[in-house]
Amino acid sequence: AQSVAQPEDQVNVAEGNPLTVKCTYSVSGNPYLFWYVQYPNRGLQFLLKYITGDNLVKGSYGFEAEFNKSQTSFHLKKPSALVSDSALYFCAVRDIDDKIIFGKGTRLHILP
Amino acid sequence: DAGVIQSPRHEVTEMGQEVTLRCKPISGHDYLFWYRQTMMRGLELLIYFNNNVPIDDSGMPEDRFSAKMPNASFSTLKIQPSEPRDSAVYFCASSLGSGSLAGGETQYFGPGTRLLVL
Repeated sequence: AQSVAQPEDQVNVAEGNPLTVKCTYSVSGNPYLFWYVQYPNRGLQFLLKYITGDNLVKGSYGFEAEFNKSQTSFHLKKPSALVSDSALYFCAVRDIDDKIIFGKGTRLHILP
Repeated sequence: DAGVIQSPRHEVTEMGQEVTLRCKPISGHDYLFWYRQTMMRGLELLIYFNNNVPIDDSGMPEDRFSAKMPNASFSTLKIQPSEPRDSAVYFCASSLGSGSLAGGETQYFGPGTRLLVL
């Protein structure tokens, strides 16, 4: 079965510094990978996805993610963090029949 | 489009009562998903529908939970009888299928229903 792992429960970054939120995956076949963000008291919002093509995927709010097949990783990155980026981030992979499997989430704290 | 609409946004009920959560997906989307989110268990997929037909309900915790989708624009998740351990935020999401050239697979989430069972 497809799965994703987010090894960090929480990541703290100073405002203005680059940030990385880690995700590794396990799939059979070609991976369809996603990042979603959840702000307090809101539903999840789509950030970006990788299906095929360029390994560097750009998404909303200045985020990007790098697909690395050899390391089976899909880390989320941003060059300069904002306090408003503080939220819960979910990595996800498409399973069979269009079902999406979500990771347990990583809480990102941007410190002013 | 208004996005995925869920009602009520908040529900407080007493143990043993019936609870019905409602969802209106984005028009034209053919997949609908129900999730539950708690601090302890994270985000769990309960059930999902394709073209109003339940495809996988293996995430439904027990027989007290049931979900229906009578038409393409409406779905309900019912808990009867409710228990305190059902307290959670319940999300509905919709998407186009992966075969859609309009950008399938991306799920669009509603704002959630925060349920508290006393």
